Amino acid sequence: AQSVTQLDSHVSVSEGTPVLLRCNYSSSYSPSLFWYVQHPNKGLQLLLKYTSAATLVKGINGFEAEFKKSETSFHLTKPSAHMSDAAEYFCVVSEEGYQKVTFGTGTKLQVIP
Amino acid sequence: DSGVTQTPKHLITATGQRVTLRCSPRSGDLSVYWYQQSLDQGLQFLIQYYNGEERAKGNILERFSAQQFPDLHSELNLSSLELGDSALYFCASSGHSGLSVTDTQYFGPGTRLTVL
Repeated sequence: AQSVTQLDSHVSVSEGTPVLLRCNYSSSYSPSLFWYVQHPNKGLQLLLKYTSAATLVKGINGFEAEFKKSETSFHLTKPSAHMSDAAEYFCVVSEEGYQKVTFGTGTKLQVIP
Repeated sequence: DSGVTQTPKHLITATGQRVTLRCSPRSGDLSVYWYQQSLDQGLQFLIQYYNGEERAKGNILERFSAQQFPDLHSELNLSSLELGDSALYFCASSGHSGLSVTDTQYFGPGTRLTVL
């Protein structure tokens, strides 16, 4: 079975400070892991994707995530938050053998000027 | 702009009715996915089609059905609508090779369904 847990439903940071959005996963096979971002009233946009290549994945807009198998984590980070980063972020796991995609419950990021 | 289009943008209907949501994938993408996003259930995967065939099934109710046509557009049919079906319905497409749930998905802007 596969599952994904986003550990924080809301995260608030000041502009210019680091961002950390936490995600833990569970999967039976080799997972693919994704982070998507959803701005208000918009569809989801892929930030980055891990598919068993490099464990440190760089995405768009300065985001990156590190796959840690021993900790079953795939946390999303950014060194310096920008106002435009305010959105909801979803961690997603999927795996070939399971033929299913599972979304986390989302983390709303607030960026304070 | 992801290249995935969905119509209509908004839909308001009454309980017991039936509606059809339409999705056109990115040019060349063979897979289409449907999702439901609601406040209480979050984002739920409903179903995936690949080149006209059902490929994977998620938490799709029996009152809901989907199909993918030869031109690769897809329709999601929702019938005997209930208040709890009010949600944002997203379509996504993936993969020129398109057979794997591990492909990157490109999401449309969604259809907001309100059931009164």
